[in-house]
Parts: sequence; structure tokens; C-alpha cells
Amino acid sequence: IVMTQTPLSSPVTLGQPASISCRSSQSLVHSDGNTYLSWLQQRPGQPPRLLIYKVSTRFSGVPDRFSGSGAGTDFTLRISRVEAEDVGVYYCMQSTQSRTFGQGTKVEIK
Amino acid sequence: EVDLVESGGGLVQPGGSLRLSCVASGFTFSYYEMNWVRQAPGKGLEWLSYISGISSVIDYADSVRGRFTISRDNAKNSLYLQMNSLRAEDTAVYFCARDIDYGSGALGFWGQGTLVTVSS
Repeated sequence: IVMTQTPLSSPVTLGQPASISCRSSQSLVHSDGNTYLSWLQQRPGQPPRLLIYKVSTRFSGVPDRFSGSGAGTDFTLRISRVEAEDVGVYYCMQSTQSRTFGQGTKVEIK
Repeated sequence: EVDLVESGGGLVQPGGSLRLSCVASGFTFSYYEMNWVRQAPGKGLEWLSYISGISSVIDYADSVRGRFTISRDNAKNSLYLQMNSLRAEDTAVYFCARDIDYGSGALGFWGQGTLVTVSS
């Protein structure tokens, strides 16, 4: 399964919303009924950090300004109000059939 | 607290081999699925391999299938990646990562990574 993220770069204004799209080459609905789509953040010089899993469930400790949505092949990560600490690269990842990452979206402050 | 520490990286010649290790602590290692993920310099994340808690299910990315072998020793709380026939394009930071729980498909815990450089 190929994961395609858009945009690849997203300059954002502090306090403004941001969104990243992720499209899969085939449906991510598993035979068990779950959709295994997650979002990870990687700050400069750090390992990745899980934000969202199963499309919309926030991982422990993740601020509620991060939200995930979508179904089938189209998914979105939204940041309601961007903060300086949100700068980094964001990846979607599917685990429905093997595992694949998107190519990443760089979020930077304007 | 979950902790994952990779080791075994270094400089290796093309065609050579290397074995990476990841030592886990802070949780019951045998209960959790584990993964290897790599990141080439300045590039994105690439998932490489997965192993279930009792090694009954193993999966690989096409890019490394047949060259890399994942394994684990639950008695030693350790995950391994045997890498053979290494190429320049295998140069990357290699991370081990743990699924948050069984069937979640989510990589919630990561080590700091170990750098592998393939060069003559």
C-alpha cells in the first residue's frame, strides 16, 4: 500500500490551524473492521512520536489540539492552533496490510 | 517507564554484515510486537520489519526481504536485526519501535536510534 501525503511542506502562522492530508492506494479498512491509520510527529533531532492511531484516537499525553479524521483511503491530521513546539515533520502510517509510511510533511512557522 | 536502547551500528563496507540489537526495559517484553524502522540522512521514515511477541508472525518490507532478518530473545528482553549484503543505500539511522498494544498497529514507543554507515 502506497501512502501519499499533501502538502509536502506547510508554512503556518502561530495560533492558526493547519491540516495535512494522507491518501492510501487502497482501502485501509481491515477485515476485522478496524482502520489502522496513525500519525506521528518527528521534531528535529528526535525519534518519532505517536500522535494519533486508528484514525482518530489520540495517544497518551497528546494535546487535544491534534485531531485525526477520515475513512477508507482519505485521512486528515488537523492542528487547531499551531504552537512553536509543533514544528517538525509529520508522517501518516498504515498498518492494515504490512506497514508503510507516507513521505512526510514538514510543518514550519511562517 | 518504557525504554528502548539500540546498539550495534557503525561503519561497514558494501557487501558486509551487521547485527543490530535493541534492549527493552520497563514492560513485559514478550507481550508486545516490535519493529525496525530506518531513516536515511535527510529522508523520511521507512518501516523495515515486524515481529510478534512470540515470533510467530514476521514481516518485512520488500526493500530488505531476503537480506535482513528480524529476531527476538524474550529471555533477554532483546530485539535483533541481522543485516547482510549491505549496500550504500542502507546507510541510515535504525530505530526499534514497540506497538502500543496487541493489534493496535501503532508504533508508540521508540528508541533513539543507531547509525549504520555503509561505505568503502
